[in-house]
Amino acid sequence: DVKVTQSSRYLVKRTGEKVFLECVQDMDHENMFWYRQDPGLGLRLIYFSYDVKMKEKGDIPEGYSVSREKKERFSLILESASTNQTSMYLCASRLRQGYGYTFGSGTRLTVV
Amino acid sequence: QQQVKQSPQSLIVQKGGISIINCAYENTAFDYFPWYQQFPGKGPALLIAIRPDVSEKKEGRFTISFNKSAKQFSLHIMDSQPGDSATYFCAARSGNQFYFGTGTSLTVIP
Repeated sequence: DVKVTQSSRYLVKRTGEKVFLECVQDMDHENMFWYRQDPGLGLRLIYFSYDVKMKEKGDIPEGYSVSREKKERFSLILESASTNQTSMYLCASRLRQGYGYTFGSGTRLTVV
Repeated sequence: QQQVKQSPQSLIVQKGGISIINCAYENTAFDYFPWYQQFPGKGPALLIAIRPDVSEKKEGRFTISFNKSAKQFSLHIMDSQPGDSATYFCAARSGNQFYFGTGTSLTVIP
C-alpha cells in the first residue's frame, strides 16, 4: 500500500527555533508537496517539488524553505519559528502530473 | 483569494439523512474536481472525483453533481452514517496545481 510518512505527529517548539518537518514516501513519486491546514482556511500550498533538487514556491512560502536531496524525502524548514506558524502541516505526493495526491497523516506544530 | 469557495463550514445531519456540501469556482481552466475525506488525526484521502464533461458521478452512497454553466459542484452523501463524520474538502485542478476549498465538518448523529 502506498505510504507517505511524516516523522512527527505532534511537535512543540519555541519561538525563534529552527524546525525541520520530515516527509518520506515509498512510492517512487516524482512530485511532493507541503500544505498547511488551518480552520476556515482549508489547505494552503507552501512549497512543492516536481523532482529531486527542484523546488517551487506555493501560495504562502514566507518563513519557510524546503529541501529535496533524495526523491523519497521532502523536508520543510521553518528558519525561525513564530507563533503564527502554529498549524497542521500536511505532506502529499503524487506519481507525476495528472495523478492524484496521497497525503501523510500530518504534523501538528505548536510554536510557543 | 479563495479559488474554490466551499459551504457550509459545518453540517449536522441525522443518521439516514442526506448530506450536501457545495463548492463554487470561477476559473474555467479547472479540469478535474476531486473530493477528499479527512478523519481526525489523518491526512485527507481521495473520496470521489469528476471531470467537467459529465454532470454526475456516483460511487456507492457518494455522488458528485456538476453544473458547468453555473461553475458549481456538490457532494451528496445518501443514507448518511455516523462513520461518515469527517471533514470534507472539495478541490479543483488547473495545470499542475490543486486548489482546495476551506473544508466542511460533517457530523452525523445517530
